[in-house]
Amino acid sequence: GDSVTQMEGPVTLSEEAFLTINCTYTATGYPSLFWYVQYPGEGLQLLLKATKADDKGSNKGFEATYRKETTSFHLEKGSVQVSDSAVYFCALSDRGGGNKLTFGTGTQLKVEL
Amino acid sequence: EADIYQTPRYLVIGTGKKITLECSQTMGHDKMYWYQQDPGMELHLIHYSYGVNSTEKGDLSSESTVSRIRTEHFPLTLESARPSHTSQYLCASSDLTDYGYTFGSGTRLTVV
Repeated sequence: GDSVTQMEGPVTLSEEAFLTINCTYTATGYPSLFWYVQYPGEGLQLLLKATKADDKGSNKGFEATYRKETTSFHLEKGSVQVSDSAVYFCALSDRGGGNKLTFGTGTQLKVEL
Repeated sequence: EADIYQTPRYLVIGTGKKITLECSQTMGHDKMYWYQQDPGMELHLIHYSYGVNSTEKGDLSSESTVSRIRTEHFPLTLESARPSHTSQYLCASSDLTDYGYTFGSGTRLTVV
């Protein structure tokens, strides 16, 4: 079945550092890929998405590129802020499976001054 | 501004009580979902619905039940709450495109 693997957290960075959170996936078809962010005490918010190979999703300085050859969708940001501290979830949607999302286990990011 | 609403945000309740967690969305989405999120953050799908009068169990077995009598409303009920039900419950909805899910803010349930 479909699966998503994320790097383990927590990830602790200093403000203005470069961020990478790795995400790889296994899927039988051609899924859409997503990154969600969850701030403390809140639900998940869609951060960015990509629907086909080589697409780049971007939002709020975050980027991720759909790499079919390496089955990856790594999240990057050039300069993190304290306000980026949150839990980040990678997810895929198998269009053949009724658009149900399969989530990774989440990666907690802590950004310090 | 949230288009999917969950109430209550926080609930502390005694063992054996019956509870209903409410979820409503104003986007006209056909598909709705309930996730249970454990303290380790992992999300587990417990119920979903593809439309009115359609409900299915998710990947994680749950003692809760759901109903979908109206498109906009997808309540979750626990007939007899137990401490093992203590968790955060997240409701989400989606349409038929690849736009992903819209999540509510969640209900944090504590059973004492």
